[in-house]
Amino acid sequence: AQSVSQHNHHVILSEAASLELGCNYSYGGTVNLFWYVQYPGQHLQLLLKYFSGDPLVKGIKGFEAEFIKSKFSFNLRKPSVQWSDTAEYFCAVNEHQAGTALIFGKGTTLSVSS
Amino acid sequence: DTAVSQTPKYLVTQMGNDKSIKCEQNLGHDTMYWYKQDSKKFLKIMFSYNNKELIINETVPNRFSPKSPDKAHLNLHINSLELGDSAVYFCASSHAGPYEQYFGPGTRLTVT
Repeated sequence: AQSVSQHNHHVILSEAASLELGCNYSYGGTVNLFWYVQYPGQHLQLLLKYFSGDPLVKGIKGFEAEFIKSKFSFNLRKPSVQWSDTAEYFCAVNEHQAGTALIFGKGTTLSVSS
Repeated sequence: DTAVSQTPKYLVTQMGNDKSIKCEQNLGHDTMYWYKQDSKKFLKIMFSYNNKELIINETVPNRFSPKSPDKAHLNLHINSLELGDSAVYFCASSHAGPYEQYFGPGTRLTVT
């Protein structure tokens, strides 16, 4: 069965600090990879996605992620965080076929102090 | 224009009651999903429908019954509510294929 691990449960940063959130998945086949963000009291929004091609993907709000197939990883990065990035971040995968459910990691809470 | 909408946003009810949550999407997607987010914010798939046909049915109690009257709607009916059903329920939709899923605002269900 697929699983997703997010290593950082709670990350606390000051504004302008760099961010890297780890995500590893276990699945032997072809997968799609996603990072979603959930701001306090809001629904999940897609930050970025990887289906194929360039393993370095850029998303909204200055976020990027790198897919490293050999490490089964899809880490999220941002060079300089802002207070408004305070949120819950979820890594998710699904199989590269129609209509499969997302398997989520347990999420990482990011707190950014101004 | 709300892409994926859910009603109600909050639902407080007593144990043993039956309740429904409605979901509608106006994105023209073929596939819709229900996810449950527990108190630790862990998200887990419950059901998935493609063109009104059930394609994913995880190990969810029989008290939960999804219904899809058409491609744009996926409702969730819960019988005999229990304390452990308290959670946030998210509806999502996507095109049929390896595409991203779009989530609704969630319904916070509290069972007392």
